Amino acid sequence: AQTVTQSQPEMSVQEAETVTLSCTYDTSESDYYLFWYKQPPSRQMILVIRQEAYKQQNATENRFSVNFQKAAKSFSLKISDSQLGDAAMYFCAYRRINNDMRFGAGTRLTVKP
Amino acid sequence: DTEVTQTPKHLVMGMTNKKSLKCEQHMGHRAMYWYKQKAKKPPELMFVYSYEKLSINESVPSRFSPECPNSSLLNLHLHALQPEDSALYLCASSPTQPGLAGYSYEQYFGPGTRLTVT
Repeated sequence: AQTVTQSQPEMSVQEAETVTLSCTYDTSESDYYLFWYKQPPSRQMILVIRQEAYKQQNATENRFSVNFQKAAKSFSLKISDSQLGDAAMYFCAYRRINNDMRFGAGTRLTVKP
Repeated sequence: DTEVTQTPKHLVMGMTNKKSLKCEQHMGHRAMYWYKQKAKKPPELMFVYSYEKLSINESVPSRFSPECPNSSLLNLHLHALQPEDSALYLCASSPTQPGLAGYSYEQYFGPGTRLTVT
């Protein structure tokens, strides 16, 4: 079974600074997708960034980027120039083709002004 | 339109009540999902519908009854719930046709229904 591990239950960052959230996963598959979702207090799960396993290039979306290490099965999220609106629960997720999505336990990010 | 809508936003019901949660999407997605989420926990998959057919039931108690009347609509019928069923219920959808332009494997989530069982 595929498992997703987020080892940091809580993280804190100063506004305008950079923070990295960690995620590791366990799989024997070579073709899969990885995601970071953000869930603010409003409860809506919002996709932050996605990474296809067959792509070597790390995905980037504005201030959000990932460090995808396929051999190490690691998928960390870097948030640059942190903003107050980035405060949320962040979930790492793994999905194989035509299979359900597996979520990590989540990391609660606090942004200090 | 990349929106998944859910109604109601909040629901309080007694253990003998019957109620329904509704989820709707107009993105042409043919896979729809129900998740249950407890506070400070990740979403737990309950049901998956693919092309309006139930494809996954994660051993959910029969007091939860899903229904997919058409490709845009997903319902969750609730009956004789227990207080421990109080949670945020999330609906999601995703495309099911690899190869199409713009296809991706992420799921699009609705805002959820906060359910309280008294």
